[in-house]
Amino acid sequence: AQTVTQSQPEMSVQEAETVTLSCTYDTSESDYYLFWYKQPPSRQMILVIRQEAYKQQNATENRFSVNFQKAAKSFSLKISDSQLGDAAMYFCAYSRGDAGNMLTFGGGTRLMVKP
Amino acid sequence: NAGVTQTPKFRVLKTGQSMTLLCAQDMNHEYMYWYRQDPGMGLRLIHYSVGEGTTAKGEVPDGYNVSRLKKQNFLLGLESAAPSQTSVYFCASSFRTVYGNTIYFGEGSWLTVV
Repeated sequence: AQTVTQSQPEMSVQEAETVTLSCTYDTSESDYYLFWYKQPPSRQMILVIRQEAYKQQNATENRFSVNFQKAAKSFSLKISDSQLGDAAMYFCAYSRGDAGNMLTFGGGTRLMVKP
Repeated sequence: NAGVTQTPKFRVLKTGQSMTLLCAQDMNHEYMYWYRQDPGMGLRLIHYSVGEGTTAKGEVPDGYNVSRLKKQNFLLGLESAAPSQTSVYFCASSFRTVYGNTIYFGEGSWLTVV
């Protein structure tokens, strides 16, 4: 079974600074996808960024980028120029590459942004 | 553009009562899912469906039943609610293709069992 681990229950960052959230996963599959979801206090699940395991290039979406280390099974999220609106729970998630798209989530990291 | 809609948004149940959560999606997605989120934890998959008339168990299926009679709807039933089922429930949907399609989530249903 696949597992996803987020070792940082809470992180804080000063507004405009950069923060990195960690995620490791365990799988025997070679074809899979990784995601970061943001969950603000409203509880809405918002997709931040996704990474295909077969792609060596790290995904980037505006201020959000990932460091995907396939051999180490590590998938960290970097948030640049942090904004107050970035404060939320962040969940790392894994999906196998075959049919189903079912997600396995990590336990989450609460990000606080200090003004 | 409604996306994924869950009803009800909030519900308080007494132990032993039954209820059904309704999920509707208007994106013509083949796959639908029910997750639960307990305090301080990530989402866990309860049941899922890969098409109309088919359902399968996820990670935490005990105490729940599901049905997918129409492609756009996915129902989650609690036959005899227990306090351990107090949680936030999320429905989600996605297209069928095998390329790790984006999963779209509803806004969640808060269920308290007393």
